[in-house]
This record gives sequence, C-alpha cells and structure tokens, in this order.
Amino acid sequence: NAGVTQTPKFQVLKTGQSMTLQCAQDMNHNSMYWYRQDPGMGLRLIYYSASEGTTDKGEVPNGYNVSRLNKREFSLRLESAAPSQTSVYFCASSAHADGGEKLFFGSGTQLSVL
Amino acid sequence: DAKTTQPTSMDCAEGRAANLPCNHSTISGNEYVYWYRQIHSQGPQYIIHGLKNNETNEMASLIITEDRKSSTLILPHATLRDTAVYYCVLYGTSGSRLTFGEGTQLTVNP
Repeated sequence: NAGVTQTPKFQVLKTGQSMTLQCAQDMNHNSMYWYRQDPGMGLRLIYYSASEGTTDKGEVPNGYNVSRLNKREFSLRLESAAPSQTSVYFCASSAHADGGEKLFFGSGTQLSVL
Repeated sequence: DAKTTQPTSMDCAEGRAANLPCNHSTISGNEYVYWYRQIHSQGPQYIIHGLKNNETNEMASLIITEDRKSSTLILPHATLRDTAVYYCVLYGTSGSRLTFGEGTQLTVNP
C-alpha cells in the first residue's frame, strides 16, 4: 500500500518552461489536494478536488492548472513557470473522519525555477 | 475560515511531556481542531483531532478548553524523533479548505 505517490521528486525548470506534477493515491479517497510550501512557511492550498470530475481553487491558484484524471490521479500543471513558483509541492488525499477529513500527504516535489 | 495562533518555537527535554498550545478564539461551532506534524521536509502527518471533548490516541492527547477558544497537544514522553513542526488546523463542514499556518517548531533536546 503506497499511499500518496508524487513524481518527480526534484525538478529544475527555466523560466517559461512548462511541466506537470503527477500525483496518485491508492486509498480510494474521493478528495485530493495540491499544496505549496515556501521555505520557512506553512502550506498554502493551490487547488483541490472534492471528487472525480470536480476541481476548485484554493488560496493561491494563479499560474497553475489541475486535472482530476480519475479517482486515483490528480495532476498539477505549470504552463509557464516563473521563479516565484520555486517551492516544494505536496499532494494529499483525504479520508472521511468522524469530524471532517484526515489528510494523507505525499513526500513532495522540490521545484526550482531559474 | 477561522485562524489559529501558535508559538513559533518550543523546546522540550527528551522523556518529558511536550505541551503545544494553539489559540483559535474565533472557532465556529462546527469546526474541529486537527493537529498535524511535519518532520524535516517530509509531507505532514496526521496526529489527532477533536471537537470539544479531550481525545487520546497512540501518538498524543488533545485537550480542548470548555469555551473551545484554545487547545493543547500533549506528547507525553517526547523523543528526539518528535522534533518537527506542529500545525494546529481547523476544519469545518464548509468544505475542503484546510489552512495551515506556520506552526510550532518543536525541538526535543537530549
């Protein structure tokens, strides 16, 4: 049982390049999320998907697009990378708990935009 | 969404209890208090959550004040492996918009 798997683990881009961060979960969770974490900061929600076929903006969606390909996979795309998008990106999925949702996180993708 | 306030950093001696406070004075009646921790640069890990009653699991205890305006996460016998950033997060029925603040850096010293 792998949990939440993110690829790649590291990526270096030049300004203006595009790329897609992949995320897959094998826990049959309905909800999935993308967060970014800048050095010394907390996590900020980029986009989330409450169920297959639906996506919603989070706190910092500008410059990103997402696709909920199926129940397992939720990808994050940077169409034209900017240095301000240098960050660690975490994908998560959530299980319904008594009182909300428990989040399970992947190990992160460290992205540098030069 | 209601916000939480946590101290930036705390220290604790190995083997002693670590008590991490969180202020959430504007919490709504339907919001739960969740705690996560992030060890080094790994993905955050769920610890515990509660509404108004005290909760305990194999990792920690959660004490929520009667007015629900603050809570304390207790690690009863801290070890070096508990050194991490601890996040207090509120979750309500309004949806999936969990907001993580900057958390508390707990350092457990030998």
